[in-house]
Amino acid sequence: SAVISQKPSRDICQRGTSLTIQCQVDSQVTMMFWYRQQPGQSLTLIATANQGSEATYESGFVIDKFPISRPNLTFSTLTVSNMSPEDSSIYLCSAATGGGQPQHFGDGTRLSIL
Amino acid sequence: GESVGLHLPTLSVQEGDNSIINCAYSNSASDYFIWYKQESGKGPQFIIDIRSNMDKRQGQRVTVLLNKTVKHLSLQIAATQPGDSAVYFCAENTSGTYKYIFGTGTRLKVLA
Repeated sequence: SAVISQKPSRDICQRGTSLTIQCQVDSQVTMMFWYRQQPGQSLTLIATANQGSEATYESGFVIDKFPISRPNLTFSTLTVSNMSPEDSSIYLCSAATGGGQPQHFGDGTRLSIL
Repeated sequence: GESVGLHLPTLSVQEGDNSIINCAYSNSASDYFIWYKQESGKGPQFIIDIRSNMDKRQGQRVTVLLNKTVKHLSLQIAATQPGDSAVYFCAENTSGTYKYIFGTGTRLKVLA
């Protein structure tokens, strides 16, 4: 299965700033995803990162707030823009070779906004 | 026993006993299901999967049961060990689509 590395693993940021999270997969994958997970809760899909085209966002998430890049089949970034305390959460990257195949996750980025 | 915590339902079992974690899935069109284990400070880790053409699948110490009639999935862990303490999530997917729907999760506590 693919090994997924995320960085940073955690950060504490000031409100109004932006942070870019990186996700690196050790093999080429068709699909990459970004999730948010509040402590003690389940995973909420933010968007699907599409290689060579704009990301596909889920309801409640917009590109201006969460711009995503996917320059190739092994790498993606998620930016959390103009952060507020409500953005404090765990952000997880995952990858899969296709629909109907397991998604594998990185260990997440724990983000706190002061 | 089973209780509802602040956010996650919790299942407490004695070490050595078998654990059964349940999940009700939402979409009758879902035909692929995964169980994940998430330890503190880590991302979800794939445990076992099952497709809708099967009712049961076994792995090492784990068994997944699928009841499509009532849209129910369960994960059985045999001889539960302290290292099994974690949060367990089910996820459902429909073939040909990319989207996975995650369940609310269950926290498993193994008592020594």
